[in-house]
Amino acid sequence: RKEVEQDPGPFNVPEGATVAFNCTYSNSASQSFFWYRQDCRKEPKLLMSVYSSGNEDGRFTAQLNRASQYISLLIRDSKLSDSATYLCVVNSGGSYIPTFGRGTSLIVHP
Amino acid sequence: GAGVSQSPSNKVTEKGKDVELRCDPISGHTALYWYRQSLGQGLEFLIYFQGNSAPDKSGLPSDRFSAERTGGSVSTLTIQRTQQEDSAVYLCASSFPPGTANTEAFFGQGTRLTVV
Repeated sequence: RKEVEQDPGPFNVPEGATVAFNCTYSNSASQSFFWYRQDCRKEPKLLMSVYSSGNEDGRFTAQLNRASQYISLLIRDSKLSDSATYLCVVNSGGSYIPTFGRGTSLIVHP
Repeated sequence: GAGVSQSPSNKVTEKGKDVELRCDPISGHTALYWYRQSLGQGLEFLIYFQGNSAPDKSGLPSDRFSAERTGGSVSTLTIQRTQQEDSAVYLCASSFPPGTANTEAFFGQGTRLTVV
């Protein structure tokens, strides 16, 4: 089992739609969780951290479920500019090495 | 500097030659990571430096790969006797020390390596 697993998609949605991505992780000792966004041929950039209590940033909401070892990202009112690959990242153990999922591709169309 | 800086941005090399890739992390970030991303693939961890501790080399794919970090700042990733399967984008990232509140990693723009 891979350490961090994501559905690769692609998720193809119309503008204005709500879309949700899930990510599961295998290491129960994982301590920090993030969502990154990667545009084509660009480096990954932090979208948001994921806190135990859940957190929201505008149209984006992230949730963490430690018992089931998954995190989620909800995007409301999708924009064309949201089209990208969304990477789930988990920092595990004392080394805190960020481990990346393979990413979920989102395509928002007019 | 303001962000993580990598050089060169692109490198084309002949099979069998050695290459050096450079990373200059964000000032104050003691943690530095190297990753590799092949076309259409996820990020593959290579090596991790934290302060003056011994680096975690567990992700290096072969002994042709090595990295060093001088003075706790700039890092160089060296690939000896390059092979075509080494072609990928090599990404460097840095972060604040583990255990601090803000442990998210910030990436450089990467070095696109093509071995012909």
